[in-house]
Amino acid sequence: QKEVEQNSGPLSVPEGAIASLNCTYSDRGSQSFFWYRQYSGKSPELIMFIYSNGDKEDGRFTAQLNKASQYVSLLIRDSQPSDSATYLCAGQTGANNLFFGTGTRLTVIP
Amino acid sequence: NAGVTQTPKFRILKIGQSMTLQCTQDMNHNYMYWYRQDPGMGLKLIYYSVGAGITDKGEVPNGYNVSRSTTEDFPLRLELAAPSQTSVYFCASSYGGRSETQYFGPGTRLLVL
Repeated sequence: QKEVEQNSGPLSVPEGAIASLNCTYSDRGSQSFFWYRQYSGKSPELIMFIYSNGDKEDGRFTAQLNKASQYVSLLIRDSQPSDSATYLCAGQTGANNLFFGTGTRLTVIP
Repeated sequence: NAGVTQTPKFRILKIGQSMTLQCTQDMNHNYMYWYRQDPGMGLKLIYYSVGAGITDKGEVPNGYNVSRSTTEDFPLRLELAAPSQTSVYFCASSYGGRSETQYFGPGTRLLVL
C-alpha cells in the first residue's frame, strides 16, 4: 500500500512568516514528489516537484526531500493571505501514478 | 489553449442511474487520468491512460469504466450510480509520465441520491 501522510492542520501563520508543511511516505520506490495547492472549490495546481535529495527553491517556495527518512516538506517564505489554501503532497512511483496525501489546510493571518 | 475541460460541472443522479463524465484536453498530452476527491480527503486515482486505446486501473476503479479512442478525450462512465460515488471528479493530463506535471480540469461535482 502506497501511503502519503500529511498533518491535516489547520496550520495558521501570521503574514510574513514562514509556513512549513510536512509529508511522509511509506513506499521507498516513490521517486518524485509533488506539491499542489488547492483553493476551496477549485482544482489542484502544481507548485513544485522534487526528485533529488536536498532542497529545491522556486521564488518564495522551497521543497525539501530526504529519501532516507522518507520525508518531504514545503517551506513558504513571506507568507501572504493569498497562500491560504490546502496543500497536497503527492508521491509518484515509476509507473507515473500519483498517490496523494489528505492535504494540509494553511491559513495566513493578515 | 483551454487546457483540460470537464463537463458537466455539477450533476445529481438517482441510485442506479448511469452517466458519462466528459474530459477533453487540447495540449496534445499522451497521459490522462481520472481522480475522485471525497470531502476533506486527498485525490484517489480511478483510471488512467498512457495513450489512445490504452487504459489501466488505478486505486479505486470499481463501479467505473473508461475508454480512450482519441488523444484528446477520456470519458469516465458510471453504470449503476451508488451513494458511495458522491464525490468531486477531476480529470488530469500530462505530456509524459515520470516527473511530468499533471494539469487538472475544473472538476465535476456529483451527488448520488
